[in-house]
Amino acid sequence: DTQMTQSPLSLSASVGDRVTITCRASQRINSYLNWYQQKPGEAPKLLMYAGSRLQIGVPSRFSGSGYGTDFTLTISSLQPEDFATYFCQQSYSTPHTFGQGTKLELK
Amino acid sequence: QVQLVESGGGLVKPGGSLRLSCAASGFTFSDFYMTWIRQAPGMGLEWVSYISDNGYTIFFADSMKDRFTISRDNAKNSLFLQMKSLRAEDTATYYCARVFRGGRGDFIFDLWGPGALVTVSS
Repeated sequence: DTQMTQSPLSLSASVGDRVTITCRASQRINSYLNWYQQKPGEAPKLLMYAGSRLQIGVPSRFSGSGYGTDFTLTISSLQPEDFATYFCQQSYSTPHTFGQGTKLELK
Repeated sequence: QVQLVESGGGLVKPGGSLRLSCAASGFTFSDFYMTWIRQAPGMGLEWVSYISDNGYTIFFADSMKDRFTISRDNAKNSLFLQMKSLRAEDTATYYCARVFRGGRGDFIFDLWGPGALVTVSS
């Protein structure tokens, strides 16, 4: 199975900050990497797919990059609604494993 | 309205069985692969299974493949997860999700239901 490791697992930041979350795969997954946002009590929501493609309706302050084993999700200027938990997921092979999640909290 | 809604969750004793359903609406259900994903309380996401659009191809996470069964009824726009021999560690919110395959056979979960809570406890 492909293990997905996110860092950091928690992050404190302020509105307007630029933040980056990292996701590393235990083997090469090309660009088969997706990002999800989950707010408390809600289902996850797709943010980005294929490493760098923004899902329809997601603000352009979100961006993704990476290929192979190392990927990043960047939020260029944090907004109040961005404080949530973020998960990466590889879709290269079954099982379609997720990272542990990164909880983004207000400083 | 494009949506998925799970049902059938609840409290079940260890060793018991439960069947989850997921009702799809607002899109052509039979065009999409579907998947189940679960989340234990306060924990991360765990992929459970997927089923192809025609129901002929199925994959399961190893830890669940001997106890869980996935199926679908395209005529009724419904997805199912039959769970048996349930254990305390199966306690989780179970989400159904639609699979967007893109142009390269990807597995992107682009639409999620609100989830159904399954609690396994005596």
